[in-house]
Amino acid sequence: GESVGLHLPTLSVQEGDNSIINCAYSNSASDYFIWYKQESGKGPQFIIDIRSNMDKRQGQRVTVLLNKTVKHLSLQIAATQPGDSAVYFCAENAGNMLTFGGGTRLMVKP
Amino acid sequence: ETGVTQSPTHLIKTRGQQVTLRCSSQSGHNTVSWYQQALGQGPQFIFQYYREEENGRGNFPPRFSGLQFPNYSSELNVNALELDDSALYLCATINRSYTFGSGTRLTVV
Repeated sequence: GESVGLHLPTLSVQEGDNSIINCAYSNSASDYFIWYKQESGKGPQFIIDIRSNMDKRQGQRVTVLLNKTVKHLSLQIAATQPGDSAVYFCAENAGNMLTFGGGTRLMVKP
Repeated sequence: ETGVTQSPTHLIKTRGQQVTLRCSSQSGHNTVSWYQQALGQGPQFIFQYYREEENGRGNFPPRFSGLQFPNYSSELNVNALELDDSALYLCATINRSYTFGSGTRLTVV
């Protein structure tokens, strides 16, 4: 399949370790944030979202943290698995559109 | 599967030609948006349709146009193709959140 994110920042972690992927957003008016996972040849897959009235939200093995003061978003993946290897994008929503960050490639070493 | 279907999955066009990409949703949501994803970058917003009317547009020239039909399926049309139009084109339906299809990979030669 095709490659997504040939020149993206890369985070390499050992299987079983926790991963933290960071993202800075630009629009202080954004009220909704989403993390997506994208594998080669596929569209972005929803992982977790958070609204601006929250600072933390947990899902299954994933946690999103939102710091509105510094406009920073992070995705924490617990017990990272080989299947988590992909490119991860944060996206902010203000109005009728999503604005995506540049993406981070996560590589999980067995 | 996300329930959002795009066609074709791949195609190759010559510079100057026109192309039509298609998107449909199993659940028929009334809002659909289109994004362009160049290799190595995040998706960029092209435009959004709500109940067959365009209600938001990104920084793309008028040769990018769209349609939404009464069954909420949608088309993206690009005229006078340029080499830089080569990208993955994604559509997303919007309900509680944005759900993307797998995209159409367009190559302009």
